[in-house]
Amino acid sequence: DAGVIQSPRHEVTEMGQEVTLRCKPISGHNSLFWYRQTMMRGLELLIYFNNNVPIDDSGMPEDRFSAKMPNASFSTLKIQPSEPRDSAVYFCASMGWWPNYGYTFGSGTRLTVV
Amino acid sequence: DQQVKQNSPSLSVQEGRISILNCDYTNSMFDYFLWYKKYPAEGPTFLISISSIKDKNEDGRFTVFLNKSAKHLSLHIVPSQPGDSAVYFCAASVETGANNLFFGTGTRLTVIP
Repeated sequence: DAGVIQSPRHEVTEMGQEVTLRCKPISGHNSLFWYRQTMMRGLELLIYFNNNVPIDDSGMPEDRFSAKMPNASFSTLKIQPSEPRDSAVYFCASMGWWPNYGYTFGSGTRLTVV
Repeated sequence: DQQVKQNSPSLSVQEGRISILNCDYTNSMFDYFLWYKKYPAEGPTFLISISSIKDKNEDGRFTVFLNKSAKHLSLHIVPSQPGDSAVYFCAASVETGANNLFFGTGTRLTVIP
């Protein structure tokens, strides 16, 4: 199993540009999460999906952020327009059913908005 | 509002000694707690967990202690090894098997050879 796969690993973009982060969860996992890591807030949940359906997006900071999961093997997190304060590491994680409780994280996408 | 707090952003320990990482939480409904370890340029990986019906769970060199009345848990690493140097995140959920984990801000552990 290749684990949770995120792309790109690094993204540098100019303020105002659209950014799309991608995630492929572990096959068979039915829940997918997008987290953002910052020094001040640690790992904060942005949105999560169960069976491809968005369940809780209360962590999405602004309307500039949107996430989709068109099928069980793919999800995107889009920021449009991007701002320098969006610079952070974005993690995707997936989770299967109990007793496999616990997240499996991807390696993250380091986003820098200049 | 941060429901899970790790008040020590960093900790340095000599190799062979005990490392104690602390975590506090505010939500009394939390009943399942986990620790994750994160190396640079990698995602966090699951380390150890504990249910609220227990006060201790041990796995090799790692032991997690839970004090529900104080809303406090700690991770003990004995003996500490240089390979343990990483950022450690504490996490909690409202019910076992629930989807939503709440994470702390992390503690960077450095084990000095």
